[in-house]
Parts: sequence; C-alpha cells; structure tokens
Amino acid sequence: DTGVSQNPRHKITKRGQNVTFRCDPISEHNRLYWYRQTLGQGPEFLTYFQNEAQLEKSRLLSDRFSAERPKGSFSTLEIQRTEQGDSAMYLCASSLEGQGMSGYTFGSGTRLTVV
Amino acid sequence: GQQVMQIPQYQHVQEGEDFTTYCNSSTTLSNIQWYKQRPGEHPVFLIQLVKSGEVKKQKRLTFQFGEAKKNSSLHITATQTTDVGTYFCAGLGTASKLTFGTGTRLQVTL
Repeated sequence: DTGVSQNPRHKITKRGQNVTFRCDPISEHNRLYWYRQTLGQGPEFLTYFQNEAQLEKSRLLSDRFSAERPKGSFSTLEIQRTEQGDSAMYLCASSLEGQGMSGYTFGSGTRLTVV
Repeated sequence: GQQVMQIPQYQHVQEGEDFTTYCNSSTTLSNIQWYKQRPGEHPVFLIQLVKSGEVKKQKRLTFQFGEAKKNSSLHITATQTTDVGTYFCAGLGTASKLTFGTGTRLQVTL
C-alpha cells in the first residue's frame, strides 16, 4: 500500500463545468475525509465517511458539492457548475478509527483552477 | 462552531534559534494533533496529545497540551533548515473530525 492516492493532481476547468475527483485511501482505513485548502490557510473540513456511510457534511458545502464512497473503498468528490471561488487544493485523508483517534494520512491533493 | 487559532502566523528565525507556536481552541478538545506541511506538499501527521497537561517529545520537538485542554504548543529547539514549513494544530471536539488551526509558517535561514 503506497498511501492515499488522489487524481487528477491538477484540474483546470471553465466556470460552469462539472468536475470529479477521486481518492483511494489506505486499504485498512475505515474513515475517509475530504478537506479544502486555499493558499495560506489551514485545511477546511468538507465531509467524511465511515466505511460507505457519509456521517457529516460541512454547512459550508453548497448543494453543488456531492461525495460518495460506494463500496467503502475509494471516494469521489463532484463539484457541479463550478465557480471561481471553488479554486483550491482538495485534500483527501484517511484514518483507522477503532479504539481511539489516530492521525490522518493525507493524499497529495487535487489542485482545481476554475477560469 | 469550533475555531482553532494559532500564533504567530509567520516566524523567521536563524538556524540554531528556538521556535514556538501556540494553538488556542474556542472549545474544550478531547485531543489535539500536530501536522507539518512543507511548501507545495500535503500535511504530514506529527503527533497526538490526549491527556490534560500532557507533554511529548520527538527529538528537538516538544509538544504540550494545556491543563484545560483548550490550548497547545509546539517548541522546536535549535531549528534547522529542514524544519521549514507550516505547522498546524488540529483539534477534535465533540464532532468526529479534526478542525485545523490557522497555521504558523516557519522560515529558517543560515
């Protein structure tokens, strides 16, 4: 297992287009998280899954954002009708939650630029 | 909602000097984690603190969790150029996900 994998690494899209990102977590990890990070800021929580169940979604996430983790393995994050304000680094992380909290392992992220 | 602030935002030190970043949460935390993010890379987990007043060391790095479990600090002794990056604290409150702090960017020059 080589860690958390995200693709694509970069995505440039025109405003109004839909985009989809993929995250493959560490296989033994049952939790998967999506965060967004803009320049000079800390990662901002978007949503997370425990196995295939989406347990929480940020209030900041508009209806244009949707995430899935259909079989409890990889996850996708879709943004519909992209806006320039969606430009950011989208980070995926996974962790193993069982008897206590553990550190997150982040992927390298997908950098989205909306033009 | 929960907010986690860090100070300073930025610090520039000469190699060999010490560095400290402070983390404050608006709510009591069940635990706190620290991450390091090198320029152009993703955050990397450093450590987790769980107990009130806990102190942990990793070589030149010392991490503390406050008695009230609302604040934390990271101290680096004798900084090296390899310490360059942004250090984030991240707190776990009543929700089951981490809230990241605003980060402290450390620059180290020879």
